[in-house]
Amino acid sequence: EDQVTQSPEALRLQEGESSSLNCSYTVSGLRGLFWYRQDPGKGPEFLFTLYSAGEEKEKERLKATLTKKESFLHITAPKPEDSATYLCAGNTGRRALTFGSGTRLQVQP
Amino acid sequence: DSGVTQTPKHLITATGQRVTLRCSPRSGDLSVYWYQQSLDQGLQFLIQYYNGEERAKGNILERFSAQQFPDLHSELNLSSLELGDSALYFCASSLAGTGVETQYFGPGTRLLVL
Repeated sequence: EDQVTQSPEALRLQEGESSSLNCSYTVSGLRGLFWYRQDPGKGPEFLFTLYSAGEEKEKERLKATLTKKESFLHITAPKPEDSATYLCAGNTGRRALTFGSGTRLQVQP
Repeated sequence: DSGVTQTPKHLITATGQRVTLRCSPRSGDLSVYWYQQSLDQGLQFLIQYYNGEERAKGNILERFSAQQFPDLHSELNLSSLELGDSALYFCASSLAGTGVETQYFGPGTRLLVL
């Protein structure tokens, strides 16, 4: 069964304190790894898509990387506005995304 | 703003009732997906349509049904509602529904069943 596991469940950082979120997957035939940001009560907002091991993508303070077994979302010098739940999802080409349970990030000023 | 719209934003109803949720995909997208998000289950895929036809089914209950119309908007019908159906329902859209392209999510409909 396809499974996506995210860790930690929750993370509290001080403003400027860099860290990484982990997404490990047991998805046979993974064809895409997606990162989304979700604010409370809102729809997931697309961040990155990664397709192959070794691929990296960056956007402002966020950088996503992919290996054969897991993906990392690195947050450099976070600000309070980066506080949100970060969701990882895998897709095997069967059209549905398999989501992890998310990491709730809180950045304190 | 993803370009995906959903109505209504909030819905409060009673057990046993039937409701319809509506979704309009991004301009140019042919595929629509429905997801349910509850506190204990996370985001769960329900069903996908592509250009009016059902493409894939996930954990969708028999009490739930969906369709996609010729103008590509989609509706999710939930009937014989139970307390446990209370959740956020999201619609997402993508260009061709191949599975490897990005899905863009709407703002969701929050359903509360009393």
